[in-house]
Amino acid sequence: KNEVEQSPQNLTAQEGEFITINCSYSVGISALHWLQQHPGGGIVSLFMLSSGKKKHGRLIATINIQEKHSSLHITSSHPRDSAVYICAPLKGSNYQLIWGAGTKLIIKP
Amino acid sequence: EAGVAQSPRYKIIEKRQSVAFWCNPISGHATLYWYQQILGQGPKLLIQFQNNGVVDDSQLPKDRFSAERLKGVDSTLKIQPAKLEDSAVYLCASSWGGTGNEQYFGPGTRLTVT
Repeated sequence: KNEVEQSPQNLTAQEGEFITINCSYSVGISALHWLQQHPGGGIVSLFMLSSGKKKHGRLIATINIQEKHSSLHITSSHPRDSAVYICAPLKGSNYQLIWGAGTKLIIKP
Repeated sequence: EAGVAQSPRYKIIEKRQSVAFWCNPISGHATLYWYQQILGQGPKLLIQFQNNGVVDDSQLPKDRFSAERLKGVDSTLKIQPAKLEDSAVYLCASSWGGTGNEQYFGPGTRLTVT
């Protein structure tokens, strides 16, 4: 069983829809990254959080350490949000990233 | 604030040739990471530096890969000799210090080995 499970694996939605991507993990962690990867390979860190909720623009991330679950929400989605979203918890003494498989999001105009 | 810089952006070489990648982290970031991302897979950590010391290189194929971070700033990753299965995007990331901090990624170098 993978240490990190993301759902859905693929998501296609219409512009303006509210998007939710879920991440569950099975190991003890200190914090969790949400990352965005566009075609061509560039990775951008969206959030790193260890508790509660963070908001940046139309993006909201929440985490429940006890339940080992995190969610990424996108409000008023836009075609430019189309990308792969990756959940990556940090574990171990070296705070190594454990990479989820990613959610491929396509927002249609 | 300038981001993580990497060069070259693209490289095509033949198998058994050598190649080197360069990374300049964000100024002041003590921790530097090199990842290998094969198409369709998540990134795999190759090596992690704290200043100029190695924190973790357990997944670095040391028979052909080497990395250094002289003076604790820029870093180079070398492959010698390259194999077909080394075709991937090589990502460099950095964080402030202490490995628990947020990682910032460079644009990556796409290597094709023919």
